[in-house]
Amino acid sequence: GAGVSQSPSNKVTEKGKDVELRCDPISGHTALYWYRQSLGQGLEFLIYFQGNSAPDKSGLPSDRFSAERTGGSVSTLTIQRTQQEDSAVYLCASSSLQGLWTEAFFGQGTRLTVV
Amino acid sequence: GDSVTQMEGPVTLSEEAFLTINCTYTATGYPSLFWYVQYPGEGLQLLLKATKADDKGSNKGFEATYRKETTSFHLEKGSVQVSDSAVYFCALSGKAAGNKLTFGGGTRVLVKP
Repeated sequence: GAGVSQSPSNKVTEKGKDVELRCDPISGHTALYWYRQSLGQGLEFLIYFQGNSAPDKSGLPSDRFSAERTGGSVSTLTIQRTQQEDSAVYLCASSSLQGLWTEAFFGQGTRLTVV
Repeated sequence: GDSVTQMEGPVTLSEEAFLTINCTYTATGYPSLFWYVQYPGEGLQLLLKATKADDKGSNKGFEATYRKETTSFHLEKGSVQVSDSAVYFCALSGKAAGNKLTFGGGTRVLVKP
């Protein structure tokens, strides 16, 4: 597609429910990133994919968070047993590996509200 | 590991004032450096980039020079406008870290008319 697409754009869920957030990167981009941005805060790194593998999962806050990427394309971030502190905007970005620099393109994000 | 430190905000200034946002980094090897901007209600977008030492990135009147000797990539604009009010993020990406993109904490800039 023309850009990084995330769905849903907004999600309200009850505490304790599971949610799935989807990211469709730019076609051909091999790197995919998930970040979290809480209200008024900076970008918190969650996980990074290179193809289908995740060389860096260091940012996942707890074992309730998991992510997968299939076919080197679409990625899903799953949050189990959601808590109110999970409320944030979840951002996805993708980039291609060309030369020495990798410009990342961001999606519009999914605003998750846990009530 | 790689890290980026940028000045905390908020930075409040008047229209036509000079803006500087400091950014320093720690990285192995020779990373690429970026400034991203997030305007109110919008998504993150790339503002400018530099891929090697002494490169100067520029866009929309903003400039930043890749200074390897001081490991810095300070963002500057000579005359800001109200429309420059946004959150600015410094970032780096390096092959030594598997091309993972690492961001600073962001600096909120508010330009008053």
